[in-house]
Amino acid sequence: DTGVSQNPRHKITKRGQNVTFRCDPISEHNRLYWYRQTLGQGPEFLTYFQNEAQLEKSRLLSDRFSAERPKGSFSTLEIQRTEQGDSAMYLCASSPRGSGRARGTDTQYFGPGTRLTVL
Amino acid sequence: EDQVTQSPEALRLQEGESSSLNCSYTVSGLRGLFWYRQDPGKGPEFLFTLYSAGEEKEKERLKATLTKKESFLHITAPKPEDSATYLCAVHFGGTYKYIFGTGTRLKVLA
Repeated sequence: DTGVSQNPRHKITKRGQNVTFRCDPISEHNRLYWYRQTLGQGPEFLTYFQNEAQLEKSRLLSDRFSAERPKGSFSTLEIQRTEQGDSAMYLCASSPRGSGRARGTDTQYFGPGTRLTVL
Repeated sequence: EDQVTQSPEALRLQEGESSSLNCSYTVSGLRGLFWYRQDPGKGPEFLFTLYSAGEEKEKERLKATLTKKESFLHITAPKPEDSATYLCAVHFGGTYKYIFGTGTRLKVLA
């Protein structure tokens, strides 16, 4: 078990460009979350997948943001027409099937994040 | 509005000086409260899950407790390697969303 991996670790782009990040969850984890974290703040929820189904999206996820998990394994987060305000750490977390199910909640395990800088 | 507030924002301790971090929440239908440790430039590292008031969890020098309105993370005889930001998060019914606090930045001096 190698943990959640994210690529790239760092991305510098110019305003207006599109970027895509990838998250590989812990194997056999069927639940996947994306968060955004800015300096001095806690992670902010962006979206949640259970297998390949995207079950919840935050209002923070504007129409410039899209996330996919096509085969229920890895996931991608794309930001179109990037703005300077998109500069942040983008975190992915996964959770195993049934973890905390009896309690109706999941324990999430985070990846190292992708640091995005928009110039 | 559902909120999670952590205090203090920052804390400096001498090595061996025990203290507590606070996480207060105003959500209904709490499903779980989570504590994470985050080192600079890294993703949060899971520490504890607490499900109901009165529950306690321990790991090495850390002990987490939960009441109906708040959680405490007690650090006993901390060491410099305990320096990090400690985050709490809550999950409540009716949503898949987890709400994080802004964290407490802990610095333990040798």
